[in-house]
Amino acid sequence: AQSVTQPDIHITVSEGASLELRCNYSYGATPYLFWYVQSPGQGLQLLLKYFSGDTLVQGIKGFEAEFKRSQSSFNLRKPSVHWSDAAEYFCAVGGRAAGNKLTFGGGTRVLVKP
Amino acid sequence: DAEITQSPRHKITETGRQVTLACHQTWNHNNMFWYRQDLGHGLRLIHYSYGVQDTNKGEVSDGYSVSRSNTEDLPLTLESAASSQTSVYFCASSESKDYTQYFGPGTRLTVL
Repeated sequence: AQSVTQPDIHITVSEGASLELRCNYSYGATPYLFWYVQSPGQGLQLLLKYFSGDTLVQGIKGFEAEFKRSQSSFNLRKPSVHWSDAAEYFCAVGGRAAGNKLTFGGGTRVLVKP
Repeated sequence: DAEITQSPRHKITETGRQVTLACHQTWNHNNMFWYRQDLGHGLRLIHYSYGVQDTNKGEVSDGYSVSRSNTEDLPLTLESAASSQTSVYFCASSESKDYTQYFGPGTRLTVL
């Protein structure tokens, strides 16, 4: 069965500092990987996704993620965070073996200090 | 622009009542999904559909049902609401050839 682990429940970062959110997945075939962001009271918005090709993926709002097959990881990074990046972030995995279903991690809540 | 909407956005009901949450998408996507979001659990799949007349159970389907009579809508019904079903519910949709899911704004349901 597929699964996603986001080891950090909460992360606090200062505005202007770099951010890295960890995501580890378990999937028995070629994974399709996603990062979503959820602002308070809102739905989930896609930040970026990886299906194949270049393992460094660029997304919206200045985010990027790197797929590392050997580590079963898909970590999300941003070089310099803005106060508006305070939100909850979800990693998800899917693929052909799972039909069109995605499995989500428990989420990481990011707080941004001024 | 295409979108996915949910109604109502907030709902308070009593234990034992039947409740239906609406989900409507104008993407013309074949696939639709219902999730619940609870603290500490992330998003958990309740039911999903790959097309008209197709419905499938997810990991937390007990006490919920769905029906798919057209491409645009997948209503979620709680047959007899329980306090354990107090949660935020999200609907999502995707194309068959793409695994990217697009989410609605959510419905906050409180069962008293």
